[in-house]
Amino acid sequence: SQQGEEDPQALSIQEGENATMNCSYKTSINNLQWYRQNSGRGLVHLILIRSNEREKHSGRLRVTLDTSKKSSSLLITASRAADTASYFCAVSGNTPLVFGKGTRLSVIA
Amino acid sequence: DGGITQSPKYLFRKEGQNVTLSCEQNLNHDAMYWYRQDPGQGLRLIYYSQIVNDFQKGDIAEGYSVSREKKESFPLTVTSAQKNPTAFYLCASSEQVGNQPQHFGDGTRLSIL
Repeated sequence: SQQGEEDPQALSIQEGENATMNCSYKTSINNLQWYRQNSGRGLVHLILIRSNEREKHSGRLRVTLDTSKKSSSLLITASRAADTASYFCAVSGNTPLVFGKGTRLSVIA
Repeated sequence: DGGITQSPKYLFRKEGQNVTLSCEQNLNHDAMYWYRQDPGQGLRLIYYSQIVNDFQKGDIAEGYSVSREKKESFPLTVTSAQKNPTAFYLCASSEQVGNQPQHFGDGTRLSIL
């Protein structure tokens, strides 16, 4: 399966700390995307990293991609209570995006 | 503002009843998708459509049906053949199927009476 798998399943940190989530996948990909989902809402696209890119930044988000290890990480720096959400990676190949099960992040004020 | 509208937000189904979930987008996207999300789980693809009058089964299409008569609309019918329909249903769209980011609606929560 091409599905991305996030790790850890749940993460709880204090406000101001950094949060790191990981995603592993099994097949070759065109790109990898990260999404955020607030409770009871739809997913929101955060960032896309192409297979020929190694690192990408967007505000407080930093994404890395290691195609040799088939893994990606999402780093949220200086976390805020408003970052509390579930975060999903989605891998893109020749089919529709395949989403992982997500990491539930809780940021405690 | 461009976006995706799902309705209703909450829906209740009786035994043996078919129900239809609405999804409308004004982003001029060709591709549209339906996902099912169970508590604490990821998204599972039910159906997707690359273009008007075309749609493909996803991983869990049994008990569901769709139509794509207009570019902006992709309704999902949960039939009585779907024995465990209680879930959160999400509709999404993208410019094309495959690599582009998807835009999501805010979901419909379906429960059984």
